[in-house]
Amino acid sequence: DIQMTQSPSSLSASVGDRVTITCRASQSISNYLNWYQWKPGKAPELLIYAASSLQSGVPSRFSGTGSGTDFTLTISGLQPEDFATYYCQRSNSSPFTFGPGTKVEIK
Amino acid sequence: QAQLVESGGGLVKPGGSLRLSCATSGFTFVDYYMSWIRLTPGKGLEWVSYLSSSGSVTHYADSVKDRFTISRDNAKNSVYLQMNSLRDEDTAVYYCARRGVIGGVIFFDYWGQGTLVTVSS
Repeated sequence: DIQMTQSPSSLSASVGDRVTITCRASQSISNYLNWYQWKPGKAPELLIYAASSLQSGVPSRFSGTGSGTDFTLTISGLQPEDFATYYCQRSNSSPFTFGPGTKVEIK
Repeated sequence: QAQLVESGGGLVKPGGSLRLSCATSGFTFVDYYMSWIRLTPGKGLEWVSYLSSSGSVTHYADSVKDRFTISRDNAKNSVYLQMNSLRDEDTAVYYCARRGVIGGVIFFDYWGQGTLVTVSS
């Protein structure tokens, strides 16, 4: 099975910062990569699908890039509501493996 | 706006069984594949299973294959997860999610709030 890794596992940032999270697949998955945001006690939220397409209703400060094995999620201008855990997920075929997550904390 | 509400979680002993339910509204249920995904403190998010819109096609993660069964009732707009032979490592918050697809890219665009399953003696 294709394995997904993320880096860093956690980071501290301030409101207004630009934050970049990296996701890597153990083999090429083309653009079959999604990003989700999770907050405790809430439903996970789809942010980006197909590596770079912004889900309807998601603020434009979220963006995704990448193809093949290396992908990034960027938050341009971190807002208080963005402190959460972010997961990447491969989506070309089952199992739809998630990365281990990146927790974004307040500095 | 799509809404999904899970129920049926609880405390169960190893080897026991539990049936989770997910009631949906706000979208045409019969048009969508549905999935179950779980969140554990140690492993994060793990896709568990999906089911086609008709119910004829199912897929499972290796970790639950032959123990869990996904099903749906399109008349009730509901999806279910029958969990048998439960193990400690099945302890998690279980989410149901709607599966979307655009250009061959599969994603989970609506999720419920989750239901907690604790497997412990």
